[in-house]
Amino acid sequence: AQSVSQHNHHVILSEAASLELGCNYSYGGTVNLFWYVQYPGQHLQLLLKYFSGDPLVKGIKGFEAEFIKSKFSFNLRKPSVQWSDTAEYFCAVRPRLTGGGNKLTFGTGTQLKVEL
Amino acid sequence: GAGVSQSPRYKVAKRGQDVALRCDPISGHVSLFWYQQALGQGPEFLTYFQNEAQLDKSGLPSDRFFAERPEGSVSTLKIQRTQQEDSAVYLCASSLGRVPLNTEAFFGQGTRLTVV
Repeated sequence: AQSVSQHNHHVILSEAASLELGCNYSYGGTVNLFWYVQYPGQHLQLLLKYFSGDPLVKGIKGFEAEFIKSKFSFNLRKPSVQWSDTAEYFCAVRPRLTGGGNKLTFGTGTQLKVEL
Repeated sequence: GAGVSQSPRYKVAKRGQDVALRCDPISGHVSLFWYQQALGQGPEFLTYFQNEAQLDKSGLPSDRFFAERPEGSVSTLKIQRTQQEDSAVYLCASSLGRVPLNTEAFFGQGTRLTVV
């Protein structure tokens, strides 16, 4: 079974600081990778996704993530955070199986607080 | 509606009471998922439907949990004889396709269940 580790549980940054949130997964086969964001009081929203091709993927609001297969990692980055980025961020993995089983496995989440 | 809709948004149940949680997926979405999110944790998979067929229920924690999607659209998650450990946010998600490749899941706002 697959699993996801997010090592940073709480991160506090000042506006304009750079952000990197770690995500490592364990699974022996091919995977799809996702970052979801949950703003206060709102539902989970997709930030970006990796299915195949270029391992550097760009998402909404200036976020990007890099898939490093050899490290089983999919870290999230943003060069300059804004106060509005305050939210909880979840990394998720989904095995690429042809027979179904397309459930997402989530990490425990990282609570990001951006201070003015 | 444009998104996944869940009702009720909040539910308080006395221990031992039965509850039913409703999910209206995005129109035309074949796949429907239920997840449970405990406080401070990431969502955890409960069950998966492809149209009306429940293809995976490996995440249901006990036989008190039951889900159905009789006509392949609206789904109901039922919890019988609720216990305090059932307190969590229950998330519903839907996605367009039946294959796992190149499809993303859209989440509802969840139902927060509190068992007292």
